[in-house]
Amino acid sequence: NAGVMQNPRHLVRRRGQEARLRCSPMKGHSHVYWYRQLPEEGLKFMVYLQKENIIDESGMPKERFSAEFPKEGPSILRIQQVVRGDSAAYFCASSRGTVDSYEQYFGPGTRLTVT
Amino acid sequence: RKEVEQDPGPFNVPEGATVAFNCTYSNSASQSFFWYRQDCRKEPKLLMSVYSSGNEDGRFTAQLNRASQYISLLIRDSKLSDSATYLCVVNSSGFKTIFGAGTRLFVKA
Repeated sequence: NAGVMQNPRHLVRRRGQEARLRCSPMKGHSHVYWYRQLPEEGLKFMVYLQKENIIDESGMPKERFSAEFPKEGPSILRIQQVVRGDSAAYFCASSRGTVDSYEQYFGPGTRLTVT
Repeated sequence: RKEVEQDPGPFNVPEGATVAFNCTYSNSASQSFFWYRQDCRKEPKLLMSVYSSGNEDGRFTAQLNRASQYISLLIRDSKLSDSATYLCVVNSSGFKTIFGAGTRLFVKA
């Protein structure tokens, strides 16, 4: 049973380009979460999605950032017109989302570097 | 007040020591509680869920005190491999998940 998969593992973008980060949840999991972690800092919640629905995007910056989790395929976090401050590790987690299982399992992360 | 607060750390302990981490949460309606560990430049890994009755897994014991709104993690007989950052995680009002800032542990030989 494969765990949460994220790709790419490392992504380098120049300022102004777009970054697309992908996350495939664990088998049987229909809930996806995205987090950002700056160097030497804690995890910051960004967005929580179910298939075709954004449930909570309270942690997402209002501009340039968007997320989706289509009916088919991975969840995608998109950052448009990247800036140096977007350089961070972006982690995706998934869960079953049922009352008896809110446990989240994390992917290996995508390390974004903006030059 | 932060929604989830942890001991600031870092904790530096010798091998074999017992170390305790504490975590407090502000939302009394919180429903689920977890401890994760995160190694440097790696993803967080679920260590254990925390139940009202308390639970133990080998050298690790987690406890929940709903009245005082705090969670603890006890590590007995520390190993070098226990060195990591320990994250307290609280699920509030449905699926909203809050991570604490983490407490770093260094176990030295």
